[in-house]
This record gives sequence, structure tokens and C-alpha cells, in this order.
Amino acid sequence: AQTVTQSQPEMSVQEAETVTLSCTYDTSESDYYLFWYKQPPSRQMILVIRQEAYKQQNATENRFSVNFQKAAKSFSLKISDSQLGDAAMYFCAYRPPRTGANSKLTFGKGITLSVRP
Amino acid sequence: GAVVSQHPSWVICKSGTSVKIECRSLDFQATTMFWYRQFPKKSLMLMATSNEGSKATYEQGVEKDKFLINHASLTLSTLTVTSAHPEDSSFYICSAVSRPDYEQYFGPGTRLTVT
Repeated sequence: AQTVTQSQPEMSVQEAETVTLSCTYDTSESDYYLFWYKQPPSRQMILVIRQEAYKQQNATENRFSVNFQKAAKSFSLKISDSQLGDAAMYFCAYRPPRTGANSKLTFGKGITLSVRP
Repeated sequence: GAVVSQHPSWVICKSGTSVKIECRSLDFQATTMFWYRQFPKKSLMLMATSNEGSKATYEQGVEKDKFLINHASLTLSTLTVTSAHPEDSSFYICSAVSRPDYEQYFGPGTRLTVT
């Protein structure tokens, strides 16, 4: 079974600084998808970034980028120029390559990020 | 972008009554929807997979007679919490799977309080 581990329950960053959130996972598959989701106080789940395992290039979305290390099964999220609105709970998630009903997401425990003004 | 709605956003019910939560995909059809439960400051726990036109698949430990799921159409799935008790109080989130990318889009969640 796949597992996703986020070992840091909380992190704090100064506004405008850079922070990296860690995530490791375990799978026997060679192709899969990895995600970072943001859950602000409203509790609406928001997709931050998506990585396909067969792509070697790290995904980027504006201030958000990932460091995907497939061999090490590591998938960290870097947030540059942190803003107050980045304060939220962040979840790392894994999805197998299958489709339909088997497109289940496995979530990590999440990390609460606070941003200091 | 793909939008998923949930109704109601917050419901308070008395112990012993049943409450229905709706999940709708507004601008796409979803043959598969998922229902999650989330406690404060915790991760999402998958409860069941809802498939249009067939029975839901429940995760281990989830009581299917308590949490009834009906996927009546390609845009609507409902979760009914039957004979609710205070321990059922939680935040319930649904997601809908779009094709062809099989991406999951999340609803805004429903806060259930059982008194």
C-alpha cells in the first residue's frame, strides 16, 4: 500500500522569505502522480501543484515549485516570497496511475504553515 | 475551471435524526466522487467511493448502514448520515473526478454538528 509521510506538523516563515515543506512517499509503482494541496482557514482544498512521476522536470507554478527526487521518493514544496495568504495547512498527496474509481488520493498528515508579518 | 458545490455548508441536527449532504459537479460530469471526513487540524480520511449507477465502495471501518451514499446522476452524489450521534460531528468533504485527466476537484465541505 502507498504511504505519504509529512513529518513536520508545523512550520513558520517570515513574510517575503522562502520555506520548504517536506514530503516522502512509498510506492512500488513506477508511474504515478504527486500533489500539494493547500487548505486555508476556509477549509476549501486548493490544488497548488501537480507532478507526474514520468516527468523528470520539476513542476513550478509562480512562487511554488517542487523538488521531486524519484529515487529517494521525496517530493518537497518550496514557497518563495512567502505571503500572509500562504498561511494554511498543506497536504502532500499521491495518486496511482490507474483511473476512475481507482484514482484515490493518499494524503499525508499535513503541515500547518504560519507566516510572520 | 471545474467547480464542485456542497449543500448545506453547515448543518446542526439533533441526535437520532438523519441528515443529507449533497455534492454536485457544476460544470462537468463525474462518474466517480469521493467522500472524506476531516477532524480539526487533521488530514482527510477517505470514507467511500461513490460510483454513478452502482453501489458505493466503503473504506474499512466505515459503517455503510450509517453513512448511506447515493450517486443518482453524473453530477450528484449524496451522503446521508443516519441516526446521527454527537460523535458523527465532523467536517465532510466531497470530491469529483473529471475526465480525461482524472483530476479530483473538491467541494467546500459541510460542517455537521450533532447535538
